[in-house]
Amino acid sequence: QSALTQPPSASVSPGQSVTISCTGTSSDVGSYNYVSWYQHHPGKAPKLMLYEVNKRPSGVPDRFSGSKSGNTASLTVSGLQAEDEADYYCSSYANSNIVFGTGTKVTVL
Amino acid sequence: QVQLQESGPGLVKPSETLSLTCTVSGASLSYFYWSWIRQPPGKGLEWIGYIYYSGSTNYNPSLKSRVTISVDTSRSQFSLKLSSVTAADTAVYYCARGYNQHWVHFDYWGQGTLVTVSS
Repeated sequence: QSALTQPPSASVSPGQSVTISCTGTSSDVGSYNYVSWYQHHPGKAPKLMLYEVNKRPSGVPDRFSGSKSGNTASLTVSGLQAEDEADYYCSSYANSNIVFGTGTKVTVL
Repeated sequence: QVQLQESGPGLVKPSETLSLTCTVSGASLSYFYWSWIRQPPGKGLEWIGYIYYSGSTNYNPSLKSRVTISVDTSRSQFSLKLSSVTAADTAVYYCARGYNQHWVHFDYWGQGTLVTVSS
């Protein structure tokens, strides 16, 4: 099972929005609505930001939203803040397996 | 506050078995799925497998022949054994809890522990 494809990096000014794509196949993202997104500050524990494509766990601000079309899922962070600077990973269920994305480093300029 | 803490040797020799334990505090293991996930240096995350509190398991097919995950509910711990390790198994290893009583997404993670495979 290959990793899901994400852009390596994205640079955004504070207050702007960024959308990160996560491209898989018809065997993972395209077949299931079990796409999750994680925020990872290096050296710390990853944090679940979205699950089941667009659901937010308690405590996650509504600036974080998700969507899916075909084999590609997306995470949008609006009103970017300095603390949003981190690595972001998507993941998808894939036939009794979990596959993660390659990761995207978001830099707040 | 749910907390997970990985522990185990930071250095393992090639061909030997990597053993890690995750100690859970602030929550019972009951009715949750517990996973191991790893991240090789400079690379992305890889799911290794899960164990349900009752003992049922599911492993990543790419690692299945070498992985064993076990649980000790009396100690609030679950463990990972990865046999016949090579340098490719060098990674930060995380333990994590399945969110909302599912196993496909993870709400609490440990800080991670670096395991280096080297002679």
